[in-house]
Formats: sequence, C-alpha cells, structure tokens
Amino acid sequence: DAGITQSPRYKITETGRQVTLMCHQTWSHSYMFWYRQDLGHGLRLIYYSAAADITDKGEVPDGYVVSRSKTENFPLTLESATRSQTSVYFCASSDWSGGADTQYFGPGTRLTVL
Amino acid sequence: QQPVQSPQAVILREGEDAVINCSSSKALYSVHWYRQKHGEAPVFLMILLKGGEQKGHDKISASFNEKKQQSSLYLTASQLSYSGTYFCGPQMKTSYDKVIFGPGTSLSVIP
Repeated sequence: DAGITQSPRYKITETGRQVTLMCHQTWSHSYMFWYRQDLGHGLRLIYYSAAADITDKGEVPDGYVVSRSKTENFPLTLESATRSQTSVYFCASSDWSGGADTQYFGPGTRLTVL
Repeated sequence: QQPVQSPQAVILREGEDAVINCSSSKALYSVHWYRQKHGEAPVFLMILLKGGEQKGHDKISASFNEKKQQSSLYLTASQLSYSGTYFCGPQMKTSYDKVIFGPGTSLSVIP
C-alpha cells in the first residue's frame, strides 16, 4: 500500500536492550524525519535525513542512531534503551522543495522501556 | 528555541470561534500548522510562506507576520471535528530543512 508505515506499532523492552524502529515510505520522498512525542513537549525532532546516506541531528539525538541506505527506509535504533526513552515515536517524510512541502506522518510506534 | 503557543488549552462550544497564537524568538522563513487527534498521527493543515499572507482550509485560516515572528490560527464556527491538539511548526531562516514544533494547543469542542 502507498504511504508511510511504521513497525512495530507497540513495543515493550527492558533497560539496556537495543531496539530498532522501522519506517518505510512509498512516495520516494527525499526527506525523512524521526520525532518523539511526550506530554508537555509536543513533537521533538530526533534525526532527519535529506537523502539516502545523508543524515543530521535534530533537537534530541542523544541515545539514538539512524541510517538511510535506501531512500524509502529510515530505521531508528536505540542502542541501549533507557526509561527516559519511553515515548511515542513518529516517522515523517516530505518532498521538501524550498520549504513549501507537507510532512506526512506515519501512525507512530508506542515504545515502553521497563 | 521551541516556539511558544497560546493558549495551552481551550474549550469551545460548537459554533464558537477560537484563535491559537504561535511566536518564535528566531527569524522565520515559514510556519506550518498541524492538527493531531487523540491517538492518531499529526495531519497537515497549511503552510504560510510570506509575511502577512493568510491561507485557509475550510473554516480554518491562518496569518503569518514575518516581522513579528508570529503566526495565528483562526477557527471559525467550530465543529466537533475540530477537537484535537494544534501544533505550529516555525521554520527558521537559517535552517530550511528543519521545522521545530511548538508544545501544542489542546482544543476541545463540545455540543
């Protein structure tokens, strides 16, 4: 199906474990983004990517790693999960031409770190 | 660096109007507005690129004052479907590919 998908939708893990959240889009959008959403903080940008093999940090990148070997995929890895990383994670994509383009958000992944 | 939104929360009766304000301490290139319903992903409403320009989406419109680094979202004759959290996302002039979202304004429309 066309669009942007995230997997898993729900994940429970333990402190110290490695977790990878997947994001896949079928539009061939050049830009992809990872946000976390916590009560009182809105949407905070973790990492973003302008194209395959080009990534950059956002507001809250510590504890996260990203890669983008293919345009359509943008996985987010928590190398050693901590309780403070319990959150809802949204992936988004955009075709971004001069700032005039929409970001399309995936359905989100609810991550709980015990 | 996060923009300021006001009010934090508002409750309206159907048919009433509301204004949500967004202000930034940085010079802006554009402002994005999104709405998120409970348990769902944020959905795009509109982007404003030029100072003073107003755009509309159904009975929801917005303005962008580039000089004041402010944007306002106007909801006219609110409907139950307008309920949700509204986020502004100013885009700084120095960073064309990053949008920093505000904390959101919770809007509830009741019958």
